[in-house]
Amino acid sequence: GAVVSQHPSWVICKSGTSVKIECRSLDFQATTMFWYRQFPKQSLMLMATSNEGSKATYEQGVEKDKFLINHASLTLSTLTVTSAHPEDSSFYICSARDKGRNNSPLHFGNGTRLTVT
Amino acid sequence: GQQVMQIPQYQHVQEGEDFTTYCNSSTTLSNIQWYKQRPGGHPVFLIQLVKSGEVKKQKRLTFQFGEAKKNSSLHITATQTTDVGTYFCAGLMVGGNKLVFGAGTILRVKS
Repeated sequence: GAVVSQHPSWVICKSGTSVKIECRSLDFQATTMFWYRQFPKQSLMLMATSNEGSKATYEQGVEKDKFLINHASLTLSTLTVTSAHPEDSSFYICSARDKGRNNSPLHFGNGTRLTVT
Repeated sequence: GQQVMQIPQYQHVQEGEDFTTYCNSSTTLSNIQWYKQRPGGHPVFLIQLVKSGEVKKQKRLTFQFGEAKKNSSLHITATQTTDVGTYFCAGLMVGGNKLVFGAGTILRVKS
């Protein structure tokens, strides 16, 4: 089945530093990838839609300059949390949909647990 | 904005009891998908419903899509401890390309 690899699975960083999270589709091509944020015992909040070869589409209230998204190829999207602060600590999950199949289910990465100290 | 409401937020059941979670959308859906997230894990796709009034079964799980394509339910018969986790519905709005997730229902099963 379709596999999405997300790296790292957890990271601890100091306040003010930047953290990059990678999301790769291993056995399919993904024109679109989605980045979510999840707080404990809460739902997945869509942060942005990552489009291969073009700018990401951010949801209302998500700072594009703080959460930099790059979708350089059909199998890789990255999310960089710039100048991280403790309130950015959260579980970040990416997902991808097989290229050309808008109604197909999402395949999720394992998530990245970010802790900012 | 577009919303998918999901209830209940939590459900604790005794092993062997049934469990149901409900989702309701403010707008008509193109399809609805269900995901399960185990504690500490990531969401895993369970099923997708597309047709009005559709009913699908996976062993002890029964999924329904309403006639108006605005609501859906997941019913688990005779719960087991392996059913523990959070169940999310996610709706694809007509004409949209992104899923809107419900708040999720946390299921705990007491053995």
